[in-house]
Amino acid sequence: KQEVTQIPAALSVPEGENLVLNCSFTDSAIYNLQWFRQDPGKGLTSLLLIQSSQREQTSGRLNASLDKSSGRSTLYIAASQPGDSATYLCAVLLYGNNRLAFGKGNQVVVIP
Amino acid sequence: DTGVSQNPRHKITKRGQNVTFRCDPISEHNRLYWYRQTLGQGPEFLTYFQNEAQLEKSRLLSDRFSAERPKGSFSTLEIQRTEQGDSAMYLCASSLPRGENTEAFFGQGTRLTVV
Repeated sequence: KQEVTQIPAALSVPEGENLVLNCSFTDSAIYNLQWFRQDPGKGLTSLLLIQSSQREQTSGRLNASLDKSSGRSTLYIAASQPGDSATYLCAVLLYGNNRLAFGKGNQVVVIP
Repeated sequence: DTGVSQNPRHKITKRGQNVTFRCDPISEHNRLYWYRQTLGQGPEFLTYFQNEAQLEKSRLLSDRFSAERPKGSFSTLEIQRTEQGDSAMYLCASSLPRGENTEAFFGQGTRLTVV
């Protein structure tokens, strides 16, 4: 069974600092990895998708890396803003599987 | 809005009542998923459809739960004889077939409260 762990569970940073969110997974036979953002009481918004053959993906201030051999992905958010305050979820899709395995999320607060 | 749409957004029901939720996926997506999320946890997989066929069900999907996707478009999730433990956010997602861009897109969810 794929286990996905996100550390830290919660963090607060002052506005302007870079955010580094970590995701680890136990089964390296992944098809892809996806990062999501979730605001309180809302659904999930897809941020970045990394295919298993890729090492990183970038979108604006967001950059996600993938290291399958070590079972890790990192989401970097540059120059954080108060609007980045949310929970960030990492999800892994395995080969031959149809279900995303999620971590519990990193709850982020950016302090103005 | 061409995203995944879920209705209702909120549902409060008394224990023992039946509830039904609806999900309209992105139109060209043939894959549809249901997940459940409780407070402080990541979403947990419930079931998966490819077109109208329900191909996978989680052990979480007890016999009180039933999901359908009759014409391969929208889907419904019904919970019979609701229990307080069913209180959660129910999320629907859709994606293109594997082999193409399999990015999953989620709806805004249906928040169920059983009192």
